[in-house]
Amino acid sequence: GNSVTQMEGPVTLSEEAFLTINCTYTATGYPSLFWYVQYPGEGLQLLLKATKADDKGSNKGFEATYRKETTSFHLEKGSVQVSDSAVYFCALSGSGYSTLTFGKGTMLLVSP
Amino acid sequence: DAGITQSPRHKVTETGTPVTLRCHQTENHRYMYWYRQDPGHGLRLIHYSYGVKDTDKGEVSDGYSVSRSKTEDFLLTLESATSSQTSVYFCAISDAAGGRNEKLFFGSGTQLSVL
Repeated sequence: GNSVTQMEGPVTLSEEAFLTINCTYTATGYPSLFWYVQYPGEGLQLLLKATKADDKGSNKGFEATYRKETTSFHLEKGSVQVSDSAVYFCALSGSGYSTLTFGKGTMLLVSP
Repeated sequence: DAGITQSPRHKVTETGTPVTLRCHQTENHRYMYWYRQDPGHGLRLIHYSYGVKDTDKGEVSDGYSVSRSKTEDFLLTLESATSSQTSVYFCAISDAAGGRNEKLFFGSGTQLSVL
């Protein structure tokens, strides 16, 4: 079946540091890949997505590239802000009709 | 913001009592989902619906039932609450299922405590 593995948190960074959150997946066929973000006290919201190999999703300074050869979709940001403190979830959607499979989430804490 | 309302936002109940959580949407989306969020487990799918009266089980459906009699409402029922069902419950909606068009919109969550 489909599965998503994320690095465990929390990830603690100072403001303006470089961020990487690792995500690898297992899936049959050609899944679409997603990053969702959950700010404190809120539900999840879509941050970015990529639907085929070598696609790069980007939003709000965050980027992730769909790497089929390494089955990875790592999230990166060049300079984090305190307001980026949140929990980040990697997810995949299989081809055809299927429900989303989420990773366990990675908490990011950014200090001033 | 997508029009999704979960009620109640917080609930404390006792073991063995029935509990119903409600999700109401104003987007006319076909697909609706119930997830629970627990530390160390992330988000896990409980049940989902792909249309009125059409529902299916997720990975952690034991102890839960759902109903969808109208497009806009999706109810989650704990027939006899247990302490292991203490969690934050999220409703989500989507107008497409699977593949590249998948995008979920989430409600704000219901914090349920079973004592």
